[in-house]
Amino acid sequence: EVQLVESGGGLVEPGGSLRLSCAASGFTFTNVWMSWVRQAPGKGLEWVGRIRRKSDGGTTDYAAPVTGRFTISKDDSRNTLYLQMNSLKIEDTAVYFCVTEGYGYGHHSFHIWGQGTMVTVSS
Amino acid sequence: QSALTQPASVSGSPGQSITISCTGTSSDVGTYNYVSWYQQHPGKAPKLMIYAVSNRPSGVSNRFSGSKSGNTASLTISGLQAEDEADYYCNSYASSSRVVFGGGTKLTVL
Repeated sequence: EVQLVESGGGLVEPGGSLRLSCAASGFTFTNVWMSWVRQAPGKGLEWVGRIRRKSDGGTTDYAAPVTGRFTISKDDSRNTLYLQMNSLKIEDTAVYFCVTEGYGYGHHSFHIWGQGTMVTVSS
Repeated sequence: QSALTQPASVSGSPGQSITISCTGTSSDVGTYNYVSWYQQHPGKAPKLMIYAVSNRPSGVSNRFSGSKSGNTASLTISGLQAEDEADYYCNSYASSSRVVFGGGTKLTVL
């Protein structure tokens, strides 16, 4: 079964750090670009950033609000995607989804989604 | 403010057709044919409904169709059914290797 399972969410104070993980199964993780998408409570979807597969350079791109604070990495040996979040702000409060990008259905479409993990930034 | 503009809400009766618009700029929708649409039911992860402007993934009903003209993409749902009631989001690849989403549209089936 194709599956993405996020973990690592929780409550953190402003200025703190948190690392999210996303375990992949049922598909060849090595061959896939991966993105993180977040959704603040009651709000819409927001792209956070992506990491390309190694054969495409393994490089990353980030949305402006998180550039310099968030880092995406990918451990192909563990089939796991990570999101390191530093200098967290209240406005980073959201459900964070990991998602495949361009897997199976055209470039830059988000096909396989995890169930999401909640991050709450509050004092 | 979202990068792509969608109507906040649309509604229709069972059996009718509705269209949701998604307006961007020449830096995203107008240049790239990488527009996708997603359906999200409350408390659930989004589901890919349309990719590359007008293509349906396997298993998605042919009642869902997509198109694009200039800087505006559209999602049409024909033969509305109760289970279509959900939030719908568009997204597009954009310049500087970004991805931008619309603000979302709440579809109500009357």
